[in-house]
Amino acid sequence: EVQLVESGGGLVQPGGSLRLSCAASGFTFSDYWMTWVRQAPGKGLEWVANIKQDGSEKNYVDSVKGRFTISRDNTENSLFLSMNSLRAEDTALYYCARKHPAVGTPLDFWGQGTLVTVPS
Amino acid sequence: QSVLTQPPSVSAAPGQKVTISCSGSSSNIGSKFVSWYQQLPGTTPKLLIYEDNKRPSGIPDRFSGSKSGTSATLGITGLQTGDEADYYCGTWDISLSFGVFGGGTKLTVL
Repeated sequence: EVQLVESGGGLVQPGGSLRLSCAASGFTFSDYWMTWVRQAPGKGLEWVANIKQDGSEKNYVDSVKGRFTISRDNTENSLFLSMNSLRAEDTALYYCARKHPAVGTPLDFWGQGTLVTVPS
Repeated sequence: QSVLTQPPSVSAAPGQKVTISCSGSSSNIGSKFVSWYQQLPGTTPKLLIYEDNKRPSGIPDRFSGSKSGTSATLGITGLQTGDEADYYCGTWDISLSFGVFGGGTKLTVL
């Protein structure tokens, strides 16, 4: 059974840092692109970043470029999101998701999310 | 605001059909495959449609996807109260070089 379990969220002051983790199991982690998606309270989905199977390609939404870094450890079946210079608008539930093998960017398995709160 | 445009809400009666539109541009929907997600209240998003019109295993054929030019459509037939959820379209934008979602559409089954 595919499982994605996020951790590392919490309350952090503006300008602070956090590192989110996502532990994957039930599939060959190194075979898949992985993605972070966030959802602010009561709002819609926002794509944040993704990373290729071997970590050689990474993409970021403009609003986090230069502040967030996505990475992975295929030996530990783990995905990470390092977040610096956090702002109130980064407050959201952060989901780790696996990209379906199909063409494009469909996300076929999602974790339960970890909540990041940055007070204004 | 979102790169992809969806109506904020749609509604229909049980047993009826509803469609949800997703409008984009040549740099996203017009050149990349579209996916659709269902998010039931209090739950994580679930993949309903990928590559414009394909259903993952376990998704009933009441759900269908189509695309024409820079717009995509999700269709749901035989509506059930359990279909009440938020629905999102998503794809890649080749100009922005990142993934994009629509703002979401809340489906109410009256």
